Amino acid sequence: DAGITQSPRHKVTETGTPVTLRCHQTENHRYMYWYRQDPGHGLRLIHYSYGVKDTDKGEVSDGYSVSRSKTEDFLLTLESATSSQTSVYFCAIRRLAGETDTQYFGPGTRLTVL
Amino acid sequence: KNEVEQSPQNLTAQEGEFITINCSYSVGISALHWLQQHPGGGIVSLFMLSSGKKKHGRLIATINIQEKHSSLHITASHPRDSAVYICAASGGGADGLTFGKGTHLIIQP
Repeated sequence: DAGITQSPRHKVTETGTPVTLRCHQTENHRYMYWYRQDPGHGLRLIHYSYGVKDTDKGEVSDGYSVSRSKTEDFLLTLESATSSQTSVYFCAIRRLAGETDTQYFGPGTRLTVL
Repeated sequence: KNEVEQSPQNLTAQEGEFITINCSYSVGISALHWLQQHPGGGIVSLFMLSSGKKKHGRLIATINIQEKHSSLHITASHPRDSAVYICAASGGGADGLTFGKGTHLIIQP
């Protein structure tokens, strides 16, 4: 499982409140990713990081911000949650080893915005 | 932007049948990934392909770079193979994967 944990695993919040999701890895991988998974859309990239303090936007970044102040933690923040952000959020790390390029996913966070 | 299409969206088969799931993509890639997700479960990487064919147990994945097409095959299918199978394309840079919408597979005993 590449030592990836996500917290919280479940959260219910109200529209307009800020929410921060945490992804923690124990193997010092350089690349980390936040995806959301929705019925009918599948998995989509929100933001990614290619090193400490190095981040960039993905396909569905509006309404989200990220921070990576140390290698092991990648935080996803919803500044003001909306109902459209109700989703399951997955963090992933990318393991590069020789010709192998594999992403390993965390267990997911189910977020409900009321 | 790469478009990744999977077919079929849903597939129900009997135990023991040979299963094929298809994936096509619109733009050249560095690698094609196959992932598995059980109901309520996490996402597990099955294969990463840049060319040819890979086999792991009863699972076989192939890719045709010229045709921009990949297939995932399951031989001697079993109810425990019931899951969503997702293909995803990697462009090779630091940015993440582009996913198909998944194939929901049910294997009936």
